Amino acid sequence: AQSVSQHNHHVILSEAASLELGCNYSYGGTVNLFWYVQYPGQHLQLLLKYFSGDPLVKGIKGFEAEFIKSKFSFNLRKPSVQWSDTAEYFCAVNARYGGSQGNLIFGKGTKLSVKP
Amino acid sequence: DTGVSQDPRHKITKRGQNVTFRCDPISEHNRLYWYRQTLGQGPEFLTYFQNEAQLEKSRLLSDRFSAERPKGSFSTLEIQRTEQGDSAMYLCASSPRTARTHNEQFFGPGTRLTVL
Repeated sequence: AQSVSQHNHHVILSEAASLELGCNYSYGGTVNLFWYVQYPGQHLQLLLKYFSGDPLVKGIKGFEAEFIKSKFSFNLRKPSVQWSDTAEYFCAVNARYGGSQGNLIFGKGTKLSVKP
Repeated sequence: DTGVSQDPRHKITKRGQNVTFRCDPISEHNRLYWYRQTLGQGPEFLTYFQNEAQLEKSRLLSDRFSAERPKGSFSTLEIQRTEQGDSAMYLCASSPRTARTHNEQFFGPGTRLTVL
């Protein structure tokens, strides 16, 4: 079955610390990969996406993610977090081809708390 | 605000009652999606429309659930004979049709349903 696994439920960091959130997916075909973020009281919004090409993708607010096909991973990174990065982060995947393209499969999310 | 809007934002109902939610997508987007999110989980796909055609339905969408998008613009999600297990956040998302496969989805604020 298709699934997305996020390794950490809750991460607590101090400002200026580096961040890496793990994401692994299980899917038998070619996929598109996404990271969404939900700030407290706000909608889910797209942080970054990977469709094809350079496996290192850059998103908004200094975030980046690396697609490693051999590891089925799409980890999110930021070199120096800020208090304003406190949010819940969701990794998601959908099929690039075939009948289930509309179906975004999400991980359970990782809550990030950044201490000022 | 030209984002995805949902109405109502909160709904409290008694078990056995019917409820209906509305979603207005971003105006130029022809694809519309419904998801359900429960506490501690990521969003789970329910169904998807391209224009007025419902193209995909999840097994989560029991026969008590029905979704429509009659004119290819707004959509409604109805739950009949609500059960306590239906309590969740119901999210709507939309995306534009592009030459590529499904693009990123833009999410609304959600409707929080509580079934007593």
